Amino acid sequence: ETGVTQTPRHLVMGMTNKKSLKCEQHLGHNAMYWYKQSAKKPLELMFVYNFKEQTENNSVPSRFSPECPNSSHLFLHLHTLQPEDSALYLCASSQEGGGAGEQYFGPGTRLTVT
Amino acid sequence: GQNIDQPTEMTATEGAIVQINCTYQTSGFNGLFWYQQHAGEAPTFLSYNVLDGLEEKGRFSSFLSRSKGYSYLLLKELQMKDSASYLCAVIESNYQLIWGAGTKLIIKP
Repeated sequence: ETGVTQTPRHLVMGMTNKKSLKCEQHLGHNAMYWYKQSAKKPLELMFVYNFKEQTENNSVPSRFSPECPNSSHLFLHLHTLQPEDSALYLCASSQEGGGAGEQYFGPGTRLTVT
Repeated sequence: GQNIDQPTEMTATEGAIVQINCTYQTSGFNGLFWYQQHAGEAPTFLSYNVLDGLEEKGRFSSFLSRSKGYSYLLLKELQMKDSASYLCAVIESNYQLIWGAGTKLIIKP
């Protein structure tokens, strides 16, 4: 049981759809992260928020749009995705921003783009 | 450039010992993590090394040699529940976290 929850757990969407992924952390952490995990590839950091401010965007295509309304909630808005965007999307949080602290992960959203 | 290497897959026998290696070439070094990820689940923290040497935590130990850019995770008295992927991640000097692709460990009876 982790203190980070993600919904939905599974999502199938067409290339013209718009959907959103939600992440919530109950740990009182100040930093939140979105990662993309594809089979047999390293975790790809997409976005970092520290105290609600975006501090990192790793050249992610604009069809992925993050939103962080407060330190406990993080969204990833999706539109006009491509089949190669199919992957596991993981949310994580840590006490402080940057990579120095232990990160707590949510269970992920398995996304399939058809 | 940045690079972290781990074996893709390893197989071991229940009750035995297995060592999972991780070598890295990064822009500076501020620590190394090991995470465990069971299939379909979230990665969970196992260990953190920032100084050379061995850190022991129950059946799991993690070793670091900064001069060699090398770490290993040692799992003793293997249990079936240890079947999982093990992810190595390095904190660079700018505090960016770089991840390896993970090692899938298969435990056989």
